[in-house]
Amino acid sequence: DQQVKQNSPSLSVQEGRISILNCDYTNSMFDYFLWYKKYPAEGPTFLISISSIKDKNEDGRFTVFLNKSAKHLSLHIVPSQPGDSAVYFCAVDLQGAQKLVFGQGTRLTINP
Amino acid sequence: GAGVSQSPRYKVAKRGQDVALRCDPISGHVSLFWYQQALGQGPEFLTYFQNEAQLDKSGLPSDRFFAERPEGSVSTLKIQRTQQEDSAVYLCASSLAGGLDEQFFGPGTRLTVL
Repeated sequence: DQQVKQNSPSLSVQEGRISILNCDYTNSMFDYFLWYKKYPAEGPTFLISISSIKDKNEDGRFTVFLNKSAKHLSLHIVPSQPGDSAVYFCAVDLQGAQKLVFGQGTRLTINP
Repeated sequence: GAGVSQSPRYKVAKRGQDVALRCDPISGHVSLFWYQQALGQGPEFLTYFQNEAQLDKSGLPSDRFFAERPEGSVSTLKIQRTQQEDSAVYLCASSLAGGLDEQFFGPGTRLTVL
């Protein structure tokens, strides 16, 4: 059973608008959450993270929100740019267990 | 190069063949991870090394999978008697010291078993 779920396989957004990617998890013990971005034929690259003691973390155009009671996190990209077109994975870490658990990914397409 | 490199980038094997996939981590990185990514899925953890010690191999799907990192640098993932269900992209990642340090991923090796 999937411990981390990204229920939208794909998302299409107009350039300049906000992109919102969602992720749900099942284990309330998860305490560190990450977003990775992946271009074709490349490995995932780290984008942004958040610890369970926070509910928001911002880095430039990227903001991650964590709702612990709902076991839900989201990534907001604003404004969206064509270079943001990629597959986005959320991932969780359990108390520094050294192994990330990934969601299935969401393919984001930014239309000019 | 400055990043994680993997070779070969593509491998086609006949069912039953043995394969070896290589990972060169970022120089000085203590921790090394292997993940398996099936088509349309996210990466799934296979195993983790700290220096030459394999500290977690709970994700290896069967005893046909074996990983080593004998000198605490380069790592090899070996799959014996490959099966069609082994077809996937195998990703290697390294981090400076483990814990919550960022994991840097290589481009992966795409394995196709016919």
